[in-house]
Amino acid sequence: SSELTQDPAVSVALGQAVRITCQGDFRNYFPNWYQQKPGQAPVLVIYGKNNRPSGIPARFSGSSSGNTASLTITGAQAEDEADYYCNSRDSSGNHYVFGTGTKVTVL
Amino acid sequence: QVHLVQSGADVMQPGASVKVSCKASGYTFTTYSIHWVRQAPGQGLEWMGIVNPNGGGTTYAQKFQGRVTMTRDTSTSTVYMELSSLRSEDTAVYYCARDNDSNYYYYMDVWGKGTTVTVS
Repeated sequence: SSELTQDPAVSVALGQAVRITCQGDFRNYFPNWYQQKPGQAPVLVIYGKNNRPSGIPARFSGSSSGNTASLTITGAQAEDEADYYCNSRDSSGNHYVFGTGTKVTVL
Repeated sequence: QVHLVQSGADVMQPGASVKVSCKASGYTFTTYSIHWVRQAPGQGLEWMGIVNPNGGGTTYAQKFQGRVTMTRDTSTSTVYMELSSLRSEDTAVYYCARDNDSNYYYYMDVWGKGTTVTVS
């Protein structure tokens, strides 16, 4: 099965932009991104080719190029401090895989 | 509004089995498959498998093959995940999540709040 690799942690100053990356095989399936705050279930923030579910602020955006998927928060807010996970189907298409997760700290 | 309501926390002995439920509401139950994802304390998300309420077909992660069973009851719009031969490493929060596959995008759009299973 495929693996998705993320940097363990990243920090960003309040109001600045931060990019979170995910390394993996995205030739056949678009990546998705989930936000998880302590003690809460994950929440979908980006799916497919840069689509935001209803209620997700426009400061969240996604992109993918080659074997790197990115989630960008433009103008990070204190409430964006959370763990972020990428996810996709694996190369077989029969299984799903999550990235290792990135902890975002807003300074 | 779409909701996935999970069963309450469980404490199980090693070697036992646990069965977690996930009751769906707010949409046509048989239209969307349901994933099961778990998270051990301080760890990341781990995909366990998926069940299709329309027919009951399942696909399991290789790691859990032979130890996990996912079923559904269409009369109550509920899916179940049973994990057997429990060991301490199975201590985790278990989540159900709805699968959405539209426009060739495949994602988990609605999540349950999670069920804590402690093996001790």
